[in-house]
Formats: sequence, structure tokens, C-alpha cells
Amino acid sequence: EVYLSESGGGLVQPGESLRLSCAASGFTFSWFAMTWVRQAPGKGLEWVSALHDDGVGRFYAGSVKGRFTVSRDNSKNTLYLQMSSLRPEDTAVYYCAKGAGDPTRNYYFDYWGQGVMVTVSS
Amino acid sequence: QSLLTQPPSVSGAPGQRVTVSCTGSRSNIGAGSDVHWYQQLPETAPKLLIFGNNNRPSGVPDRFSASKSGTSASLAITGLQAEDEADYYCQSFDSSLSGFVFGTGTKVTVL
Repeated sequence: EVYLSESGGGLVQPGESLRLSCAASGFTFSWFAMTWVRQAPGKGLEWVSALHDDGVGRFYAGSVKGRFTVSRDNSKNTLYLQMSSLRPEDTAVYYCAKGAGDPTRNYYFDYWGQGVMVTVSS
Repeated sequence: QSLLTQPPSVSGAPGQRVTVSCTGSRSNIGAGSDVHWYQQLPETAPKLLIFGNNNRPSGVPDRFSASKSGTSASLAITGLQAEDEADYYCQSFDSSLSGFVFGTGTKVTVL
């Protein structure tokens, strides 16, 4: 059974940094792209970042480009999201999800974690 | 500001058929990128409902179907049930952004 578990969330002040982790199990992690999606309180889904299976191909939403960095450790079956220069508008539940499909433009996200809350406030 | 527009809400009585539209542009749906759909029940993570324009993952009832044409896509729920009350999102890839996009989301209410 596929299982994704996010951790690392919390309350931080504007301008600070935070690193989220997503531990994966139940599938061959190194074979699949992974993604981060966030949802601000009471709002819709917003795609944040995606990373190819090899850890090379990276994609970012314009709202986080230059501030967030996605990475993965295939030996630990773990996806990361390093978030810096955090802003109040980054406050959201952050979900990691497993990618599927091919090529990249047809990717979809077939399994999701339960999400982790990030609050940016002074 | 999402590049995929959905109606904020749709509603129907039990047993009825409802549809949710997803309007994109030539840089996403119109560029040939697949459209996928997700269901989000209250206080839960999203769940994949439809992938590759019109394919249902194992376990998704055949009451759910979808289609794509031109720069738009549509999700249909036939035989609406109380358990279908949720938020629904479309998703695709935008070539001008080189990134993925979600629709604005639609709340389906069962009357």
C-alpha cells in the first residue's frame, strides 16, 4: 500500500526558513516524479513544485520560484521542500503527492499524503 | 490566479446528473495536455478521481466520467449520492508556465 507522510511544518515568522519532508513507502520511490501542492485555509489547491524521478528535472510555481527548493533522497525514499524567505501568504497545508503518467505534461498525482500545516505569522 | 476556471458551485438532488466544467486555454488544455480530476472531501486530502482525460482509477465508481474538447474539459456525476458532496478540482500542465495548474475548484452540493 502506498503511504506518504509529511512532516516539518509549524509556526514561523516572516522571512524565516523551514524544511518539509515527505516519507514514502509502498512503491519504488526512485521510479516516480513527486510533487508538492498547498492549500491555504479555506482556499483551493495550488501546485507548488515537482521533481522528476532522477532528481534533475525541477519545476516551480511562479509564486515560490527563487525561494523554495525541491529535492529528494532516493536512498531514504524521502522528498523535501526547503522553504526560505517565507511570507504570510505561504500559510497553507502542504501536501506531497506521487506523480504518474508520461510525458511530463500529462503528469497526474495518484497518491497524496495527509498534509502538514505551515503558518507564517509574526 | 488560476489558469483553469471552474464554477464555484453546482448542486443537484440525489439521483440527478451534474456536470462541472473546467475552462482553460491554448497553453494548457488546448495544447494537448491531459486533464485530471480530484475529489476532496471535507477535512481530507485530495483523491485522484479521473486521470488522462477520461480514465477512472480502480475503485472509483463508474458514476464519475469526464471528457475533454478543445480548451475545456468536463466532469459528470450521474446518479448523484450524498457521499459525492465534496470539492472537485481539475488539473493540467501549462506550457507557458512550464508548470502544473489546478482549477479554481467546484463545490458539489447534494440537495
